[in-house]
Amino acid sequence: AQSVAQPEDQVNVAEGNPLTVKCTYSVSGNPYLFWYVQYPNRGLQFLLKYITGDNLVKGSYGFEAEFNKSQTSFHLKKPSALVSDSALYFCAVRDGYSSASKIIFGSGTRLSIRP
Amino acid sequence: DVKVTQSSRYLVKRTGEKVFLECVQDMDHENMFWYRQDPGLGLRLIYFSYDVKMKEKGDIPEGYSVSREKKERFSLILESASTNQTSMYLCASSFPQPNSPLHFGNGTRLTVT
Repeated sequence: AQSVAQPEDQVNVAEGNPLTVKCTYSVSGNPYLFWYVQYPNRGLQFLLKYITGDNLVKGSYGFEAEFNKSQTSFHLKKPSALVSDSALYFCAVRDGYSSASKIIFGSGTRLSIRP
Repeated sequence: DVKVTQSSRYLVKRTGEKVFLECVQDMDHENMFWYRQDPGLGLRLIYFSYDVKMKEKGDIPEGYSVSREKKERFSLILESASTNQTSMYLCASSFPQPNSPLHFGNGTRLTVT
């Protein structure tokens, strides 16, 4: 069965420093991977998705994600964190290729950026 | 911009009541989803629909049902609300292609007393 794991409940980073939010996945076949962000009292917003063949994917708000097939990881990164990046981040994987496939989410990682 | 609208932001219901949560999207998306979000558990899929009148169970369908009579509207029904259904409910929609992202509503925070 497809699954996705976010091993860290919380990540703390000083403003201006690089940040990484980790995600590992388990799929059979080609992975369809996504990152979403959730600000307080809001729904989730799409940040970026894996594109086959691109090991570094760029997304919204200066975020990027590094795909590593051998480590089955899709870590979210940003070169220089902002206080406004503080939010809840979710990694997700599509469970199959058909239109009837599910999207499975990780448990989320709370990112806290201190000034 | 895609808009996914959930009818209520906050809802308080009593145990045993029948509860309807409504979701409408304006982008002609084929797929629609209902998730519940609880601290430490992430998002868990309740039901989804890939076409009008079609529905599929997610990971936690017990105590819930859904209705999709029109393409733009997907309703979640709690047949007899219980306190363990107190949660944040999130509706989402997407195109059917596997690399299509979900677009979420702002959520309905349901409290069952």
